[in-house]
Amino acid sequence: EVQLAESGGGLKQPGGSLRLSCTASGFMFNTYSMNWVRQAPGKGPEWISYISSGSSTKMYADSVKGRFTVSRDNAEKSLYLQMNSLRADDTAVYYCAREAAVLGYFDYWGRGTLVTVSS
Amino acid sequence: QLVVTQSPSASASLGASVKLTCTVNTWHSTSAIIWYQQQPGKSPRYLMIFYSDGRHYKGDGIPDRFSVSSSGTEHYLTISTLQSEDEADYYCQTWGTGTRVFGGGTKLTVL
Repeated sequence: EVQLAESGGGLKQPGGSLRLSCTASGFMFNTYSMNWVRQAPGKGPEWISYISSGSSTKMYADSVKGRFTVSRDNAEKSLYLQMNSLRADDTAVYYCAREAAVLGYFDYWGRGTLVTVSS
Repeated sequence: QLVVTQSPSASASLGASVKLTCTVNTWHSTSAIIWYQQQPGKSPRYLMIFYSDGRHYKGDGIPDRFSVSSSGTEHYLTISTLQSEDEADYYCQTWGTGTRVFGGGTKLTVL
């Protein structure tokens, strides 16, 4: 069974930093691209970052480019999101989501971790 | 710029059918529309993908009550024989160069 478990969320002040983690199980992590998708309270999902299976390709939404960095450790079956210069509008539940084998969409999602940016 | 639009709400009676609409401002031969269901308090769940050539594939365990279709830039998710557990938010999504874009979602109420 595919499982994705996010951790690392919490309350941060504007301008602060946070590192999210996602631990995968139930599939060959090193053969799948992965994504981070966030969902602000009462809003729809917003894709924010993609990383290919071997980390050679990384993509970011304009809303986080230059502030967030995605990485992965295939040996640890883990995905990471380093979030810097946090803003109030970064407040959201952050999901890690597996990219389907046929690229472009998300076939499995974790339960998410809540990030709140507030003074 | 890729823009995906959904009606904010829909409702239908238990046992009836409902058709949800998703509109994409640019649509081309390599595109696809993906549908997700998000039940209250849960993560989004992949339902199915519909390609511009008509191919479509469902996610694991998705019942045959869910189907997809398309007409031009409008794309549809039809849910037949509505059940109470179908009450949820439904999102469509597509992709562009270096991006993936979601619609704002349709909140489905089962009466």
